[in-house]
Amino acid sequence: AQSVAQPEDQVNVAEGNPLTVKCTYSVSGNPYLFWYVQYPNRGLQFLLKYITGDNLVKGSYGFEAEFNKSQTSFHLKKPSALVSDSALYFCAVRDYRGSTLGRLYFGRGTQLTVWP
Amino acid sequence: DVKVTQSSRYLVKRTGEKVFLECVQDMDHENMFWYRQDPGLGLRLIYFSYDVKMKEKGDIPEGYSVSREKKERFSLILESASTNQTSMYLCASSPSLNTGELFFGEGSRLTVL
Repeated sequence: AQSVAQPEDQVNVAEGNPLTVKCTYSVSGNPYLFWYVQYPNRGLQFLLKYITGDNLVKGSYGFEAEFNKSQTSFHLKKPSALVSDSALYFCAVRDYRGSTLGRLYFGRGTQLTVWP
Repeated sequence: DVKVTQSSRYLVKRTGEKVFLECVQDMDHENMFWYRQDPGLGLRLIYFSYDVKMKEKGDIPEGYSVSREKKERFSLILESASTNQTSMYLCASSPSLNTGELFFGEGSRLTVL
């Protein structure tokens, strides 16, 4: 079965410090992995994805994510956090099975708070 | 830019009422999805559709139905709303199953009294 785990419900970081939001996955076959961000009372916005190639993926708003196959992880990172990065972040993995080919499975989300 | 529009941002309904949540996308996407979002549970897939008049159950279809009569429109129907269906409902579309990237609407927050 496909699944994603976000082990931290909340991450708090000071503005200007690096941030990491963790994600581990479980899939049969090669994973397609995604990060989305949700601001209060809004829908989800796509940040970045890994399909193949370089293990370090760069995305929107200065975010990047590192794919690590041996650790089955896809952690989201940013070198210098901004207060405006405060939001709910979701990791997702793509399904390869049969008729559900292409659907995404989401983690439970991690609330990131960046304080001034 | 792709736009996914959900007709109602906030709704309040009474138990037993029939509820329609409408979603329209303007980029000719083949695939459309309905998720519900609850605190601590993340996003759970209710139904999805790969084509007009096609639908498939997601993880939590009970108490819901869907309709896709036109490619751009995907409706979620609660035949008889219950309080445990109070939630945020998110519609999404995608152009291709190969990319997997979803485009989301702003969400519809439904309260059932």
